[in-house]
Amino acid sequence: GAVVSQHPSRVICKSGTSVKIECRSLDFQATTMFWYRQFPKQSLMLMATSNEGSKATYEQGVEKDKFLINHASLTLSTLTVTSAHPEDSSFYICSVLADEQYFGPGTRLTVT
Amino acid sequence: GQSLEQPSEVTAVEGAIVQINCTYQTSGFYGLSWYQQHDGGAPTFLSYNALDGLEETGRFSSFLSRSDSYGYLLLQELQMKDSASYFCAVRDGRGGKLIFGQGTELSVKP
Repeated sequence: GAVVSQHPSRVICKSGTSVKIECRSLDFQATTMFWYRQFPKQSLMLMATSNEGSKATYEQGVEKDKFLINHASLTLSTLTVTSAHPEDSSFYICSVLADEQYFGPGTRLTVT
Repeated sequence: GQSLEQPSEVTAVEGAIVQINCTYQTSGFYGLSWYQQHDGGAPTFLSYNALDGLEETGRFSSFLSRSDSYGYLLLQELQMKDSASYFCAVRDGRGGKLIFGQGTELSVKP
């Protein structure tokens, strides 16, 4: 499998500010990573597919200018939530595509 | 459209066997995966079926019938630590994208 880390694990930010979440593939060269959002007691909703060296592909209804994704290397993808609002508070999880999808531990974002 | 249906909750006792069903309706299908997620944790991969039939991995087995657009996860010899949410997910295309079901919360009682 692949070992995936995320940083930070928890973050609290004020409304209107931006926050960056890092997803690292520790033992696998990941051409493709995925970003999900999960609200309490709900399923994982795919936000975007992150491809190394190219623009991310966003799912319908996800604002690409609000959720900026950068995948500049085979081991790192970042998600920046810009101008965060309380409704953006959620659990953000990344995954790495190897033989299967392997998930990071998630980042809990709280916007006050 | 794309949808996956699975029961929202299942309760069982330690040592028992439980089956979690999943039916799907998707535009593309490249296999059915199952993931386990403990509260507040990351989803962990359990099994994958690309072809019809049963796949067994220890106490867990997964079944797929493509003609019925149906699969299930079978958990045997239930343990308290199996209490978690279980998600079925369809691989939608060769790009590896997963479409998740709503999840089944399994509660194992002593």
